[in-house]
Amino acid sequence: EAQVTQNPRYLITVTGKKLTVTCSQNMNHEYMSWYRQDPGLGLRQIYYSMNVEVTDKGDVPEGYKVSRKEKRNFPLILESPSPNQTSLYFCASIPIGGRELFFGEGSRLTVL
Amino acid sequence: EDKVVQSPLSLVVHEGDTVTLNCSYEVTNFRSLLWYKQEKKAPTFLFMLTSSGIEKKSGRLSSILDKKELFSILNITATQTGDSAVYLCAVERGSNFGNEKLTFGTGTRLTIIP
Repeated sequence: EAQVTQNPRYLITVTGKKLTVTCSQNMNHEYMSWYRQDPGLGLRQIYYSMNVEVTDKGDVPEGYKVSRKEKRNFPLILESPSPNQTSLYFCASIPIGGRELFFGEGSRLTVL
Repeated sequence: EDKVVQSPLSLVVHEGDTVTLNCSYEVTNFRSLLWYKQEKKAPTFLFMLTSSGIEKKSGRLSSILDKKELFSILNITATQTGDSAVYLCAVERGSNFGNEKLTFGTGTRLTIIP
């Protein structure tokens, strides 16, 4: 089944404790992206990647890092999480030439 | 700065009613406008619009784009309780480097009362 898989789906952590949210897609898509969704602010792009080893900042990249060492994986790294990073995070992918975003199920992160 | 504004923010109607959701945008180098439906989990794709005046239709849902006035509408006729969701509008812009970016609106929360 074609899908985008995120882990963990739910996480409660404390300020400053490094964490990684993994994202994997099995559709051989070139483009991958991370979004955060907050009430009243909608979906905002954090980082995106056009292909392996090609990443760029979205609209709200502060406090996040990403890497794209393999085509299928695009992890989101929070080196030192803070409470303002409490949010619902979505990973998504698009094939080159396509427009439709394929979203993962979302990861709800709470930073205390 | 790119901007996508959806209205209304929230809408409550009775089953069987027809609703119209609005999306206006200000985006440089516009490429396309997309509509998504978000129930409890991830958004799912509804329509992509690139040309003015051409209606896209899927069952009871339809959408149209006006590139001159910079807006789109999403119509749902004969609404059902399963249409209850947040409807998201997103606008894609391209650049000289091919780095397409999506800007989302905050969504319209639609609630259908049986």
